[in-house]
Amino acid sequence: SQKIEQNSEALNIQEGKTATLTCNYTNYSPAYLQWYRQDPGRGPVFLLLIRENEKEKRKERLKVTFDTTLKQSLFHITASQPADSATYLCALMNSGGYQKVTFGTGTKLQVIP
Amino acid sequence: NAGVTQTPKFQVLKTGQSMTLQCAQDMNHEYMSWYRQDPGMGLRLIHYSVGAGITDQGEVPNGYNVSRSTTEDFPLRLLSAAPSQTSVYFCASSYSIRRGRETQYFGPGTRLLVL
Repeated sequence: SQKIEQNSEALNIQEGKTATLTCNYTNYSPAYLQWYRQDPGRGPVFLLLIRENEKEKRKERLKVTFDTTLKQSLFHITASQPADSATYLCALMNSGGYQKVTFGTGTKLQVIP
Repeated sequence: NAGVTQTPKFQVLKTGQSMTLQCAQDMNHEYMSWYRQDPGMGLRLIHYSVGAGITDQGEVPNGYNVSRSTTEDFPLRLLSAAPSQTSVYFCASSYSIRRGRETQYFGPGTRLLVL
């Protein structure tokens, strides 16, 4: 069956360090993969998109890598700040067929001052 | 632009009642979708639409109906509410993948409690 797995345990990290979150998938051939941020009581907010033929994408302190052989994406936040504390969701769209986006369960990040 | 709007923000229903969750977007997006979010389950896709008149089922469609008569609106109907439908519902929209701009914009959510 198809699965998108993110570490369900919260990730606690010291301010200033690099946070690395993982998204693994099985039985998908994604056309692209996205990362979203969600704060309590709010809807998810888009951060980055990486396509199947791309290895890495950067935006300010954020970096996403995509390894279609390992079926894994890594999401990095460098120089993390307490304001980065939130739940981070990965989502992917399978290639072929309709544009159907499926989400992982999310990883909660806590940046400790 | 108002973006994606959802009404109501919060609703309490009794088992067996029906209701419609409203979703509208003013960005001329082709793609719209409904998700429900439950603790520990993440966002699960209920129904989605790639354009007016075209809808398809997601991961958890049972008990829900949708229609897409206009580009702007994508209502979600609960036919006969059950306690298992207690959840937070999010509507999202984006451009079609053909445009190469697939960022999904989410509404603020509707919190539904079924007693």
